[in-house]
Amino acid sequence: AQSVTQPDIHITVSEGASLELRCNYSYGATPYLFWYVQSPGQGLQLLLKYFSGDTLVQGIKGFEAEFKRSQSSFNLRKPSVHWSDAAEYFCAVAPLSGGYNKLIFGAGTRLAVHP
Amino acid sequence: DAMVIQNPRYQVTQFGKPVTLSCSQTLNHNVMYWYQQKSSQAPKLLFHYYDKDFNNEADTPDNFQSRRPNTSFCFLDIRSPGLGDAAMYLCATSRDLAGFTDTQYFGPGTRLTVL
Repeated sequence: AQSVTQPDIHITVSEGASLELRCNYSYGATPYLFWYVQSPGQGLQLLLKYFSGDTLVQGIKGFEAEFKRSQSSFNLRKPSVHWSDAAEYFCAVAPLSGGYNKLIFGAGTRLAVHP
Repeated sequence: DAMVIQNPRYQVTQFGKPVTLSCSQTLNHNVMYWYQQKSSQAPKLLFHYYDKDFNNEADTPDNFQSRRPNTSFCFLDIRSPGLGDAAMYLCATSRDLAGFTDTQYFGPGTRLTVL
């Protein structure tokens, strides 16, 4: 069955430090891959997505993610975290077939940022 | 500016008392989705509408129904809420069902409490 694993439930970093959030997926073929962010009281916002091509994807708010086929991973990174990045981050996959944009989410990683 | 609006943001109901959650969108998108997100879990797709065509996920309980009277509005009806239905309910829209090319836009969610 398709699944998405985010191994880290909570991460705390200092403002200005670098960040990497891990995501691993289990799927028969490379699916569409997404990262969403959910700030308190807000809906999910798309940060970036990947299907093919360059394995390093740039997103909004200074985030990037790298797809590694050999590791079935799609880790999210940011070189310097800002206090406003404190939020919950969800990795998601969508199958290539199925006729609709069915997102399968990981359980999320909650990011706290220390001043 | 709000594109996907959910009302109410917080809903309290009693065990077994029917409840309706509302979602509206200003994007004129063809597809509307409902997700259930339980505490510390991933959002899980319940069903979606493509225009007026309703598509239920196989494991969505019969207790959950949906209506889409027009393009802008979609409702989630829970006929007899149980304690296990307490969750955040997220509405999302997308222009079409083209998978990768169509981003899903999420509302802020409705947090449902069942007493």
